[in-house]
Amino acid sequence: EDQVTQSPEALRLQEGESSSLNCSYTVSGLRGLFWYRQDPGKGPEFLFTLYSAGEEKEKERLKATLTKKESFLHITAPKPEDSATYLCAVHPTGNQFYFGTGTSLTVIP
Amino acid sequence: SQTIHQWPATLVQPVGSPLSLECTVEGTSNPNLYWYRQAAGRGLQLLFYSVGIGQISSEVPQNLSASRPQDRQFILSSKKLLLSDSGFYLCAWSAGLAGGTIYTDTQYFGPGTRLTVL
Repeated sequence: EDQVTQSPEALRLQEGESSSLNCSYTVSGLRGLFWYRQDPGKGPEFLFTLYSAGEEKEKERLKATLTKKESFLHITAPKPEDSATYLCAVHPTGNQFYFGTGTSLTVIP
Repeated sequence: SQTIHQWPATLVQPVGSPLSLECTVEGTSNPNLYWYRQAAGRGLQLLFYSVGIGQISSEVPQNLSASRPQDRQFILSSKKLLLSDSGFYLCAWSAGLAGGTIYTDTQYFGPGTRLTVL
């Protein structure tokens, strides 16, 4: 059965304290993996798409990496405005997309 | 640039009442369109997707339906709402392919509609 699991469920960081969020997946053939940021009461905002193991993408303080079984979202020197829920989604073979339940990140000033 | 709109932003409806949520996309042609539901503590659940006008695929059996009357318009409906229909409804679009297939491309989400069924 195709599954996406994100960990931890919640993460509290001090401003400037770097960390990583994990997205592990078990799917029958990965066609793409996506990271989104979601603020309370709003739609998810696209961050990255990764297509193959070994691929990395960066945007400001965020870097996403992909292996055959998981993806990491690394946050370097986070700021309070990085506080949000980060969602991971995978697109296996077929037309379904599977989303994880997200990691709620709080960055404390 | 492309933009996606959803309305209404919030909706409170009694059980058994009908529902119509609308989504429109600007700045692109022949997009793939999607309806998702996000329940508290759960991941986004794909409800319907469409690769073209009048072409709707359902991923989850339920009392909801979807229609695509125009290229960039996607409507989510119900004849009789249930309590379990409460949630945050999100519309999304991605670039479409000629021939109408879903391929791996980024989905961009609208602002969402918060539906509360009482």
